[in-house]
Amino acid sequence: QTVVTQEPPFSVSPGGTVTLTCGLTSGSVATSHYPSWYQQTPGQAPRTLIYSTNTRSSGVPDRFSGSILGNKAALTITGAQADDECDYYCMLYMGSGTWVFGGGTKLTVL
Amino acid sequence: EVQLVQSGGGLVLPGGSLRLSCRASGFSISSSYMHWVRQAPGKGLVWVSHVNFDGRTTYADAVKGRFTISRDIAKNMVYLQMNSLRAEDTAVYYCGRDVDWGLASWGLGSLVTVSS
Repeated sequence: QTVVTQEPPFSVSPGGTVTLTCGLTSGSVATSHYPSWYQQTPGQAPRTLIYSTNTRSSGVPDRFSGSILGNKAALTITGAQADDECDYYCMLYMGSGTWVFGGGTKLTVL
Repeated sequence: EVQLVQSGGGLVLPGGSLRLSCRASGFSISSSYMHWVRQAPGKGLVWVSHVNFDGRTTYADAVKGRFTISRDIAKNMVYLQMNSLRAEDTAVYYCGRDVDWGLASWGLGSLVTVSS
């Protein structure tokens, strides 16, 4: 069974740039997986950042961007801020009407 | 403004049933894919089920045969009927609206606790 992979806990300096990735244990992520990215702080509902690889959700600042890098989907955060410190999840469309989330990456800004 | 207002949830005995509801406003569910996603305490997000605009439904293997997603277009509501509940179904359940194969809008979540 193919698993969606994300980085273990990650850290970035305030004002810095960080790229989080979303891969597959078997095969490459492509635009046909329609990768999407979500941000979640503890106790809150997720917030959509990016869908369909690189489309920013309404109200999301342009310092969040999505792309395909090599064989993975990527979320890049530029000018990291303290309130970017939370969990980030990717989701991929796996075909046949099924979707799978990655395990999430906890981002620390320090 | 797109809104998803959830109701239902609560404490249920193992083997019991529960129905979650999700009332949509600001758009018509008849022209949208709708999803249910869950999150066990301290764990990550897990996709559970979806219904497309044709009414076709799909499920994650963990809930197939026990959960049923449905919709009432006239009421603009989506439901998740959960039967034969197990302790491992304990989670916050979110409904979501799909845009371009991703979840663009989320409800606030409904806590389901399966325990004796």
